Amino acid sequence: EPEVTQTPSHQVTQMGQEVILRCVPISNHLYFYWYRQILGQKVEFLVSFYNNEISEKSEIFDDQFSVERPDGSNFTLKIRSTKLEDSAMYFCASSALGGFGNQPQHFGDGTRLSIL
Amino acid sequence: GENVEQHPSTLSVQEGDSAVIKCTYSDSASNYFPWYKQELGKGPQLIIDIRSNVGEKKDQRIAVTLNKTAKHFSLHITETQPEDSAVYFCAASYNDMRFGAGTRLTVKP
Repeated sequence: EPEVTQTPSHQVTQMGQEVILRCVPISNHLYFYWYRQILGQKVEFLVSFYNNEISEKSEIFDDQFSVERPDGSNFTLKIRSTKLEDSAMYFCASSALGGFGNQPQHFGDGTRLSIL
Repeated sequence: GENVEQHPSTLSVQEGDSAVIKCTYSDSASNYFPWYKQELGKGPQLIIDIRSNVGEKKDQRIAVTLNKTAKHFSLHITETQPEDSAVYFCAASYNDMRFGAGTRLTVKP
């Protein structure tokens, strides 16, 4: 069964450093998402992306965050200058059909980001 | 924006019993309601979903009901098994997806 893959599984970064989290969505999917889950808390929507543009973003997704689809397979989340409170699990998801929020989304297993 | 409340936060049942998890949402525009199961160290896995034009949907031991008027929806798991133990999240979506806080389900053998 096709799946969303994320790398690395764990990233440790010094505060203030830039970090890039990588995702390979399911190959025929067109809609891509990033979510964050702080330890023990709910999954929080960050951003949705379609046709090389951000479709929706939450209040969490400020100027420190950016997303990119640099080639036909990867989807990345960049945090420019990390803060301690950025420590969380980051999940990538993708969906096949139209409608940014109302189609089944398939999640990767996440990248655990630890900011020191 | 959308706000999703989920209850209970923890639920413990005996194997073979039923489990019910309830969620409410605030935005009447939400039209898609998925349920995810999350096992330790894994990402959320979609187990069932329902759209706003349907009141109930069933898939083997799992069913979901939706009451649009009251803005609440529920997950029902029958004949629970130890492998059903996980954290379950509800979500409500229109343009973006908002999750509930999760329910940790423990099924005791």
